[in-house]
Order: sequence, then structure tokens, then C-alpha cells
Amino acid sequence: EDKVVQSPLSLVVHEGDTVTLNCSYEVTNFRSLLWYKQEKKAPTFLFMLTSSGIEKKSGRLSSILDKKELFSILNITATQTGDSAIYLCAVEAWDSNYQLIWGAGTKLIIKP
Amino acid sequence: EAGVVQSPRYKIIEKKQPVAFWCNPISGHNTLYWYRQNLGQGPELLIRYENEEAVDDSQLPKDRFSAERLKGVDSTLKIQPAELGDSAVYLCASSLESGHGELFFGEGSRLTVL
Repeated sequence: EDKVVQSPLSLVVHEGDTVTLNCSYEVTNFRSLLWYKQEKKAPTFLFMLTSSGIEKKSGRLSSILDKKELFSILNITATQTGDSAIYLCAVEAWDSNYQLIWGAGTKLIIKP
Repeated sequence: EAGVVQSPRYKIIEKKQPVAFWCNPISGHNTLYWYRQNLGQGPELLIRYENEEAVDDSQLPKDRFSAERLKGVDSTLKIQPAELGDSAVYLCASSLESGHGELFFGEGSRLTVL
């Protein structure tokens, strides 16, 4: 059965720290991996990764995919309280049908 | 450009009552998704539409849930009758087409069943 596992489930750090969130997957017919940030409202898109080893970067956030070892990491440097959120990982698979398989998320809390 | 619009934002009902949620996707987006999200979990797909056709409703509890997307634009998700276990956030999302990666989510409808 296809699955996406995120770790840790929750994480508490202090402002200024660097964090690394993990997303591992077992999905047949992999197409891409997506990262979303969910605060109190709707998930908002961060990155889409399709190729191994190519880092995507946006400000203090960056992400990379390893298709051999089947995982992705999301890094946040110099964390701020506004980074507190749930970070969701999802994997797109496409065979005869399209699927988007979601992880349970990592709850990140940044303490001032 | 307007984002995905959902209503109501919050709904509290007694068990066995019906409830309906409405979603207006981003203009031009052919694919519409309804997800259910429980606390501490990722979104769970209920149904996916390509235009007006439901192409994946395998996870929709069809004994009490129904959905429609008339004219391939707005969509309604209905629960009748609601059960205590239906308490969750119901998220609507849209994308240009399936397999185009980025989904745009609405703010969700939080349902509490008493």
C-alpha cells in the first residue's frame, strides 16, 4: 500500500534555530513530491520536487528530494515565530489513475 | 484573483441532522477536490472531480455523503444524516488539472456534530 510518513510528528525549537523536517515515501508510479504549510486555515503551497538532488529554495526555506532513498527534507533556517505551523508532505502518483497521498504532517512550534 | 471560496466556515449540528458545504473553485480550474481533515492528520480525499465528472469517489462514504458539481464549477458536499465521527474540517481544493501539482485550498468548513 502506498504511504507517506513524516517525522518528527511534532517539534519545538527556539527562534533562530534551524530545523529539518523529513518526509519518506513508498509510492509506486511516483511523479512528484509536494510540501505545504498549514497554519490555522488552509494549506498553502511551498514546493514541488520532481528530480533528485535539485534544491528548491524560497527565502529561509529549502527542500531537496532523494528518489533513490525515497525521502525529502524541508529545511528552515533562522526560524521565526511565524514559521509555527503544520508542515504537510504529499506525493503524486500517476498510473491508470491519479493519486495524491498525504502524510500526517509535522507540527512545528517556534518559541520566542 | 479570488481564491477558493468555501462556506460556511463553521457549522455546529446535532447528530442525525443534515449539513451541506459549498465550494467555489478558482476560475478556470478543472479539477476540484473535497478533503476531510481530522486533528493531527493529513487531508483525506473524499472525492475528486474533473469538470463535472466524479473521477475518484472511492473514499466517499456513499451511504451518507453525496456531492455534486453542476456545470463543472461550484460544488456541494452533503452529509445526511450526520454522525458524531463526522466532526472534522472539510477542505475544498482546486487545480488546473489533475497531475499539475499545486492544489489551491479554501479555508475549510469546520463541522462539529453534537
